[in-house]
Amino acid sequence: QSALTQPASVSGSPGQSITISCTGTSSDVGGYKYVSWYQQHPGKAPKLMIYEVSNRPSGVSNRFSGSKSGNTASLTISGLQAEDEADYYCSSYTSSSTLDVFGTGTKVTVL
Amino acid sequence: EVQLVQSGAEVKKPGESLKISCKGSGYRFTTYWIGWVRQMPGKGLEWMGIIYPGDSDTRYSPSFQGQVTISADKSISTAYLQWSSLKASDTAMYYCAWLPRNAFDIWGQGTMVTVSS
Repeated sequence: QSALTQPASVSGSPGQSITISCTGTSSDVGGYKYVSWYQQHPGKAPKLMIYEVSNRPSGVSNRFSGSKSGNTASLTISGLQAEDEADYYCSSYTSSSTLDVFGTGTKVTVL
Repeated sequence: EVQLVQSGAEVKKPGESLKISCKGSGYRFTTYWIGWVRQMPGKGLEWMGIIYPGDSDTRYSPSFQGQVTISADKSISTAYLQWSSLKASDTAMYYCAWLPRNAFDIWGQGTMVTVSS
């Protein structure tokens, strides 16, 4: 199955809000509520930030929020901070496989 | 506290076999799926497969079906990822992760596998 499409990079200044998109099809993002987002700092394991489109695990800052419209899911980071600089990946259940599929990944830079 | 601890880095030659491990603690090992994710150097994340240790139900991504074997020993709360004949293109970081729902909640620290002649 093909990876979900994310922008290669997104940048913003401290305090600003940024949004990362994750585009799929009706067989994955558009058809199910099982979209999750992961943050990965260099040399570290990924960390779950959002599950089931818009839910935050315990301990994740409320500056992170998720949403979905049609075949595109989005992760918004508000009040951007230096520590948010990392790679971000979306993931979605897909009916074309018995497993989920990751997005291509987005590098977030804090200017 | 849920934890996944993976085995250490490996350096192997092409054609060799390898089995890496992921030990779970802090939860009932047999009642949650565990998955494996590949990350090639400088690249993104790829789902490889998942296993339900309770009955060893295993599912593979089409890209990895037949290329690796995922297994688990519930008596020692450990999941495994193995290769019978490594290739240079298997060089990557491999993560195990815990799926209490349709998302990887907790990740292992990763195992770096380097395959080089």
